[in-house]
Amino acid sequence: DIVMTQSPDSLAVSLGERATINCKSSQSVLYSSNNKNYLAWYQQKPGQPPKLLIYWASTRESGVPDRFSGSGSGTDFTLTISSLQAEDVAVYYCQQSGTFGPGTKVDIK
Amino acid sequence: QVQLQESGPGLVKPSQTLSLTCTVSGGSISSGGYYWSWIRQHPGKGLEWIGYIYYSGSTYYNPSLKSRVTISVDTSKNQFSLKLSSVTAADTAVYYCARDRRGGIDIWGQGTMVTVSS
Repeated sequence: DIVMTQSPDSLAVSLGERATINCKSSQSVLYSSNNKNYLAWYQQKPGQPPKLLIYWASTRESGVPDRFSGSGSGTDFTLTISSLQAEDVAVYYCQQSGTFGPGTKVDIK
Repeated sequence: QVQLQESGPGLVKPSQTLSLTCTVSGGSISSGGYYWSWIRQHPGKGLEWIGYIYYSGSTYYNPSLKSRVTISVDTSKNQFSLKLSSVTAADTAVYYCARDRRGGIDIWGQGTMVTVSS
């Protein structure tokens, strides 16, 4: 079974500063048939369902602000919020197929 | 736009079967290209994928829950359903239905809280 880990567990960033979340998979999520990394990122605010931010590791979902970006390939991935806004306070999850990472809580410093 | 809505009992007794239905509106389950999923979230915890079904009836379940889970689809009603048998307090969670387009889960229901208690 694939195991997803995230780091850090939580982080506090000043408004306008960069936030970086890491996700590591125990196995490669790169599908050789189409050269796509099946890795997605979600944002979840309290009392709400998760929201898809990034899919295929680096493709931003329609309507997602461009301050959110994803990178990485194989087993190591990163979600970056380039300039943290107040509305970005949330828990962020990575996901590969049937496995979610444990989540990273982002707060304002 | 496509919307999903969970329905079912909010309280289930231990050892009984949890049954939930997800109604899809604004689009057809039979259109293909999507995997109709169930995901749960224990109170204050992370997300746990339960399984999914394709409109044709093909299913795939989380190995840790496989012995207790059945997901079915009713294309005539544009619904899919979850049954989880022999529930315990550890199955108390918010249950989400969702649409997985095999690159990301792009549409989620609002979630329904299910409590297992006598």
